[in-house]
Amino acid sequence: GNSVTQMEGPVTLSEEAFLTINCTYTATGYPSLFWYVQYPGEGLQLLLKATKADDKGSNKGFEATYRKETTSFHLEKGSVQVSDSAVYFCALEGRAGGTSYGKLTFGQGTILTVHP
Amino acid sequence: KAGVTQTPRYLIKTRGQQVTLSCSPISGHRSVSWYQQTPGQGLQFLFEYFSETQRNKGNFPGRFSGRQFSNSRSEMNVSTLELGDSALYLCASSYDVVGSGNTIYFGEGSWLTVV
Repeated sequence: GNSVTQMEGPVTLSEEAFLTINCTYTATGYPSLFWYVQYPGEGLQLLLKATKADDKGSNKGFEATYRKETTSFHLEKGSVQVSDSAVYFCALEGRAGGTSYGKLTFGQGTILTVHP
Repeated sequence: KAGVTQTPRYLIKTRGQQVTLSCSPISGHRSVSWYQQTPGQGLQFLFEYFSETQRNKGNFPGRFSGRQFSNSRSEMNVSTLELGDSALYLCASSYDVVGSGNTIYFGEGSWLTVV
């Protein structure tokens, strides 16, 4: 079945530091890939997505590139802010029909804390 | 455009009781799915509905059920509550064009505590 593996957390950075959160996946075919962010006490917000190989998703300074050859979708940001402190989830949506309907498979989440 | 709306946001139930959670999807979205989030198990898929039909189901016991109405609104029900059912229950909606990277949007969630 499908699976997503994220780097172990938590991650603690100083403001303006470079961020990388690794994400690798296992899936049949060519899934769509997503990064979601969850702030304390809230639901999930879509951060960015990519639907095919070599696509780059970007939003609010965050970027991730769909790498089919390495089955990866690593999240990066050049200069983090205190307000980026949250939990980040990598997810995939399979395209096999049937069991893929409306189903995202999530990684375990990475807690990011940014200090001033 | 309003987002995915879930009610109630917080609730406390006693073991053995049942609970019903409600979800209103984004206008025009036809697919509604539900997830359970716990510290130990993370985010787990419960089920997905489209045009009042359940199309997909996760690996949860039969105590967890759901339905979707003709206006796409959805409810999920958990019967005979157990302590382990304490979790954040998230509803998500999408327009649903399978295979074209349709985006799934989430609500704020319903926090259920079972005592």
